[in-house]
Amino acid sequence: KAGVTQTPRYLIKTRGQQVTLSCSPISGHRSVSWYQQTPGQGLQFLFEYFSETQRNKGNFPGRFSGRQFSNSRSEMNVSTLELGDSALYLCASSWDRGLGTDTQYFGPGTRLTVL
Amino acid sequence: GNSVTQMEGPVTLSEEAFLTINCTYTATGYPSLFWYVQYPGEGLQLLLKATKADDKGSNKGFEATYRKETTSFHLEKGSVQVSDSAVYFCALSKIQGAQKLVFGQGTRLTINP
Repeated sequence: KAGVTQTPRYLIKTRGQQVTLSCSPISGHRSVSWYQQTPGQGLQFLFEYFSETQRNKGNFPGRFSGRQFSNSRSEMNVSTLELGDSALYLCASSWDRGLGTDTQYFGPGTRLTVL
Repeated sequence: GNSVTQMEGPVTLSEEAFLTINCTYTATGYPSLFWYVQYPGEGLQLLLKATKADDKGSNKGFEATYRKETTSFHLEKGSVQVSDSAVYFCALSKIQGAQKLVFGQGTRLTINP
């Protein structure tokens, strides 16, 4: 079974631009979560989508948004990019039984560099 | 709020040494606990998990026991290999009805031959 895939793997943008990252979950997984990884802040939860609805959101500004499609694929968007948005963005998917005990499987990440 | 504290790194060991990476957590109730590993240039891979007190997760020679009395989930391996060099993350999942992991800061492990 194919794992979680993320595209693109690398992105270089300039301040003020916007960017869209894509995530395809493992087949059959209904929940998709996004995380930001930086050397200073570590791994931080951005948001989670389930059945095309945002179910939980982390403490990030409104410039960070996402959506989920009917096939469970998800995209996240960052508008008005800032230098501090440079990070590895990780997507994770899980079956979701609503118990918080399901394993999340991670993709390889998208490395975003903002110049 | 929920939080995870990991042993400060980096950790450098010789091959075949015994490994312990400490992890403690703060959470109300009964979280599920995880260890993930990240190799250079890659995403996170699940190493092991435990979902209730006294459970022991194990995989690839690594073990961790969910200790509710000490709110800990320390990672151990009896004999490390060079290929175990990576960054290890302890995490908890608490929220019912949502999938959200809270991670520790990560511990970089280097194994020398």
